[in-house]
Amino acid sequence: AQSVTQLDSQVPVFEEAPVELRCNYSSSVSVYLFWYVQYPNQGLQLLLKYLSGSTLVESINGFEAEFNKSQTSFHLRKPSVHISDTAEYFCAVIPVGAQKLVFGQGTRLTINP
Amino acid sequence: NAGVTQTPKFRILKIGQSMTLQCTQDMNHNYMYWYRQDPGMGLKLIYYSVGAGITDKGEVPNGYNVSRSTTEDFPLRLELAAPSQTSVYFCASGSGITDTQYFGPGTRLTVL
Repeated sequence: AQSVTQLDSQVPVFEEAPVELRCNYSSSVSVYLFWYVQYPNQGLQLLLKYLSGSTLVESINGFEAEFNKSQTSFHLRKPSVHISDTAEYFCAVIPVGAQKLVFGQGTRLTINP
Repeated sequence: NAGVTQTPKFRILKIGQSMTLQCTQDMNHNYMYWYRQDPGMGLKLIYYSVGAGITDKGEVPNGYNVSRSTTEDFPLRLELAAPSQTSVYFCASGSGITDTQYFGPGTRLTVL
């Protein structure tokens, strides 16, 4: 069975500092990888995804994630965060050939001024 | 374009009552999903559908039922509500397995 582990449940950082949110997965087959973001009192929105090709993927608001097959990781990074990045971030995987997305437990990112 | 809409936004049920959570999407998506979100647990898939007339169980289907008679609508039925069903419920839709899932705003359900 596939699983996703987000290693930190909460990450507090100061504004303009860099941040990394960690995500590891386990699967016996290849996977597609996603990061979703949930702003307070809202549904989830897709931030970025890796399907194939370049292992480094970027979002329009400055986040990036790198697929590392050997370490089965898909960590999310941003070089300089803003107050508006305060949200909960979910890593998710779909094994190739499967129909269902499997989510991690979420990481709450809190930005302090 | 409304996207994915869910009703109601909030609901309090007594143990043993039943209710239907409504979900409608206007993007002509074939895939629709129901998730529940509990604090610190991420999202768990309850049921999903790959097209009208086709539904399948997710990770946590017990106590719930779904139907998909049209492309647009995917209602979730709770029979005999229990306190363990207190949660936030999200409906989502997408055009394919690897495509973006678009989420509704959620329904916060409390069972007392």
